[in-house]
Amino acid sequence: QVQLVESGGGVVQPGRSLRLSCAASGFTFSSYGMHWVRQAPGKGLEWVAVISYDGSNKYYADSVKGRFTISRDNSKNTLYLQMNSLRAEDTAVYYCAKGVRYSSSWYAWYFDLWGRGTLVTVSS
Amino acid sequence: DIQMTQSPSSLSASVGDRVTITCQASQSINTYLNWYQQKPGKAPKLLIYAASSLQSGVPSRFSGSGSGTDFTLTISSLQPEDFATYYCQQSYSTPLFTFGPGTKVVI
Repeated sequence: QVQLVESGGGVVQPGRSLRLSCAASGFTFSSYGMHWVRQAPGKGLEWVAVISYDGSNKYYADSVKGRFTISRDNSKNTLYLQMNSLRAEDTAVYYCAKGVRYSSSWYAWYFDLWGRGTLVTVSS
Repeated sequence: DIQMTQSPSSLSASVGDRVTITCQASQSINTYLNWYQQKPGKAPKLLIYAASSLQSGVPSRFSGSGSGTDFTLTISSLQPEDFATYYCQQSYSTPLFTFGPGTKVVI
């Protein structure tokens, strides 16, 4: 069925690294831009990063720029988030989400499919 | 950067009530505004896109309106399954996106 399944979360010490994965199924993964969105415990949603359908374009929130890298492997229908130099404030549930452009306008995007999330805890 | 605010941050309502949540952008975003519903421990679910377009499969009691900087999500008759947190999201600053802080609807 159509779904996204995240994995790779866990407990990690400050300054260490972690790589998250998001396995897609049920749709043509290689046709869609993909996003990571996180949610700190008891807090709201924070957009983290986006990668274009072919991996050629990547953008990041200022809070993770230079530390996180988004990538994808369309042959494996998998999205990744490499997280380096982790900080306590990176503790959150990380969701992957599928972006859909609903009109010809460059600005016309929404996220129509989300995974269930994977929890990353940064703590010594 | 475009900042999003929502009001109220939480509200108490009863089944059958009409509920209105507002979202304000720090600058005009035309109608590039989406609404999501999130229940505890679950992923967000798209309700409304382009400020007023109902996502397929979403009950018609949900509606959205607004343009420019001021937007509204209305639930015409609150149902038990609607108790959740609601987030607005702007896509005008694509490829960067911003969510509002959320509005929690409680009994």
